Amino acid sequence: AQRVTQPEKLLSVFKGAPVELKCNYSYSGSPELFWYVQYSRQRLQLLLRHISRESIKGFTADLNKGETSFHLKKPFAQEEDSAMYYCALRSSGGYNKLIFGAGTRLAVHP
Amino acid sequence: DADVTQTPRNRITKTGKRIMLECSQTKGHDRMYWYRQDPGLGLRLIYYSFDVKDINKGEISDGYSVSRQAQAKFSLSLESAIPNQTALYFCATSDSRVGNTEAFFGQGTRLTVV
Repeated sequence: AQRVTQPEKLLSVFKGAPVELKCNYSYSGSPELFWYVQYSRQRLQLLLRHISRESIKGFTADLNKGETSFHLKKPFAQEEDSAMYYCALRSSGGYNKLIFGAGTRLAVHP
Repeated sequence: DADVTQTPRNRITKTGKRIMLECSQTKGHDRMYWYRQDPGLGLRLIYYSFDVKDINKGEISDGYSVSRQAQAKFSLSLESAIPNQTALYFCATSDSRVGNTEAFFGQGTRLTVV
């Protein structure tokens, strides 16, 4: 079965602290994984994708096939990072369907 | 950025009523999707469409129907609304013609069934 698991509903940190939002997946074959972010009163938007191996707003995510994980990391959290973060897996079968995790709310306190 | 627009933004309706949520896009994308967001469950796919002649059921299509009136418009209907359909609904689009598989989302429609 194809599945995305985000074990933490809420992650609360202080400004300047490191952040790691966990994501584990279940998929047969080569997965394509994404992180989407939803800031308050804004629409869901793509933060980064594993195939790009990019860093966006200081966030990075590495695909670990052995651990079937795609954790999102940032060394120093900022208050503006407070948002809902969703890990997503591109489903097999075409159509670019996405399977989302339950989401983790990141709260960065001053 | 109003490339993907959903109407209405908020709606309260009574059990048993028929309701339609609308989505339009100016991005020229061929693929469109309807997702439902519930706390603790993330987003789940209701229906998706490759083009105007292509409609497919997603993970949770029971109780819903869709219409792809044009490439730019994709409507979601609840024929007889029930309280457990209270949720935040998102429309999304993507473009099959490019390798970019990014999905673009609307602002969401908050539906409450009483």
